[in-house]
Amino acid sequence: GENVEQHPSTLSVQEGDSAVIKCTYSDSASNYFPWYKQELGKGPQLIIDIRSNVGEKKDQRIAVTLNKTAKHFSLHITETQPEDSAVYFCAAMETSYDKVIFGPGTSLSVIP
Amino acid sequence: NAGVTQTPKFQVLKTGQSMTLQCAQDMNHEYMSWYRQDPGMGLRLIHYSVGAGITDQGEVPNGYNVSRSTTEDFPLRLLSAAPSQTSVYFCASSFRDSNYNEQFFGPGTRLTVL
Repeated sequence: GENVEQHPSTLSVQEGDSAVIKCTYSDSASNYFPWYKQELGKGPQLIIDIRSNVGEKKDQRIAVTLNKTAKHFSLHITETQPEDSAVYFCAAMETSYDKVIFGPGTSLSVIP
Repeated sequence: NAGVTQTPKFQVLKTGQSMTLQCAQDMNHEYMSWYRQDPGMGLRLIHYSVGAGITDQGEVPNGYNVSRSTTEDFPLRLLSAAPSQTSVYFCASSFRDSNYNEQFFGPGTRLTVL
């Protein structure tokens, strides 16, 4: 089955700096890669996703890149703000299998 | 829309007790799933369902049962609670569409088994 690894497990950045979180997946059939943000005491919420036919996707300060050959995908947050502090999860899915497998999470702290 | 709702928010059980965690969604989503979240382990899939009457096992199904009699509801049953089942449980739902797979999560149930 699919296995998703995520690094780093914790990340501290100064406000205004960039943050990068990296994930790898094992199943070459996976074709959908979402990123979720979880604030304290809440359920995860989708912030951006990418499909295997696209190499990069941007949404304001957030971007995701995908390298299918290497089975890597990354989340980039630019101009970080204190409200970006949260736990971020990457995930992988083969859409016909209906199973979304999550990475272990990255706790991001943005220091004002 | 209420989205995905879960009850209870908190629960304490003794070893061997049984209980049902409730999950409901009002978005007419075909797909529903249960995850458990433990420190350093991320979200691990317990069971999922692609429609009423259809369920399947995820990564960590042992000790849990599910059923899906309606589109809206997807309860998770613990038959004989064990301390290893102490965790935060999240229910999620989504459409089954190859172009739209966003999962919507409930607020979670924090379960402690003594």
